[in-house]
Amino acid sequence: ELKVEQNPLFLSMQEGKNYTIYCNYSTTSDRLYWYRQDPGKSLESLFVLLSNGAVKQEGRLMASLDTKARLSTLHITAAVHDLSATYFCAVDLETSGSRLTFGEGTQLTVNP
Amino acid sequence: KAGVTQTPRYLIKTRGQQVTLSCSPISGHRSVSWYQQTPGQGLQFLFEYFSETQRNKGNFPGRFSGRQFSNSRSEMNVSTLELGDSALYLCASSLWSGGWYEQFFGPGTRLTVL
Repeated sequence: ELKVEQNPLFLSMQEGKNYTIYCNYSTTSDRLYWYRQDPGKSLESLFVLLSNGAVKQEGRLMASLDTKARLSTLHITAAVHDLSATYFCAVDLETSGSRLTFGEGTQLTVNP
Repeated sequence: KAGVTQTPRYLIKTRGQQVTLSCSPISGHRSVSWYQQTPGQGLQFLFEYFSETQRNKGNFPGRFSGRQFSNSRSEMNVSTLELGDSALYLCASSLWSGGWYEQFFGPGTRLTVL
């Protein structure tokens, strides 16, 4: 059974600081997704990582994928309050259609 | 391009009742998946429909069922509601993009069971 684990689950950081969220998964997969969810809202797609060594950046967020270690990271640079949200990583398998298995989510709070 | 729509947005039901939720995917998307989100269990996959056929099913009891129509719209039904069914139900509209599934989530239906 595919398992996806994130850490930390809660992250409180100051504006301007850097931090990394980790996502481990238990079964070989070449597709890793990151989503953002604001309170009471739906999921917004941030990144799709499709191969070992893939790195994608958007603004203050950078995601990377190491398929050999079954690890993805979401790095936050110089955090701002607008980044406060819950971040989920998710994995799908080639044999499972579009089914996503999600991590527990990391609730990020950026304090002024 | 219109996004994924879900109706209703909010529902309040009592134990023992049944409920039907609806999802209209993005035009051209043939795959629709349903997820349940609760504070305790997180985001859990319910089922996926592709071209009117259930392609995948999660570990939920038979009280949870779904279907997809020829226009790709999907419904999910929960019978004999329990308190634990209170959750945000999210629908995802998916398109195979030649290597990965591009997925768009709807706004969700928040179900409260009293």
